Amino acid sequence: GENVGLHLPTLSVQEGDNSIINCAYSNSASDYFIWYKQESGKGPQFIIDIRSNMDKRQGQRVTVLLNKTVKHLSLQIAATQPGDSAVYFCAENIQGAQKLVFGQGTRLTINP
Amino acid sequence: DTEVTQTPKHLVMGMTNKKSLKCEQHMGHRAMYWYKQKAKKPPELMFVYSYEKLSINESVPSRFSPECPNSSLLNLHLHALQPEDSALYLCASSQAGGQLYGYTFGSGTRLTVV
Repeated sequence: GENVGLHLPTLSVQEGDNSIINCAYSNSASDYFIWYKQESGKGPQFIIDIRSNMDKRQGQRVTVLLNKTVKHLSLQIAATQPGDSAVYFCAENIQGAQKLVFGQGTRLTINP
Repeated sequence: DTEVTQTPKHLVMGMTNKKSLKCEQHMGHRAMYWYKQKAKKPPELMFVYSYEKLSINESVPSRFSPECPNSSLLNLHLHALQPEDSALYLCASSQAGGQLYGYTFGSGTRLTVV
């Protein structure tokens, strides 16, 4: 499953399928990006990060892709599990600014 | 220790009350942050402390007063809040300067103003 439109706040996938969550970032001067997972009633949990001098980074079951040309970031989750159900946020750090700016988020629902 | 600890987890306060939110980290991070998060919205930055000095105030009303007593602690003092200030208040910490490696959030304080 994939949220092809960046204005779609929800994504539903079958358990075991792969998920792709997309994010457009706003500033070409952003040099560091983080994906967070937030479960209900909890704070954002770090998933994976990527620096602007890279275009791909892999973790355990997750991959982040960065396309600086179109200012686009994606998070791929392989073999989704029920525990992956959450809201996923991308966040960007504008170079020189001591802060993260968050995207609107995507709610991922895993269907059994 | 790789955690950011926030207390209390839940807080209900009246509009005339004074209360404080607390945040603690022992990761050696020298940047600490307060965010506000409304339901179904992303976190919004309120304040940034870098090396115990306030470096960013995102035009937050004065009824919110941050304090950084030392490199491990961050407080948010609340006074004369409005019901619309009800939200999840998140604390975060990271390395300071350059890229914000290790940016870690606490679990938040769920604040209700009545």
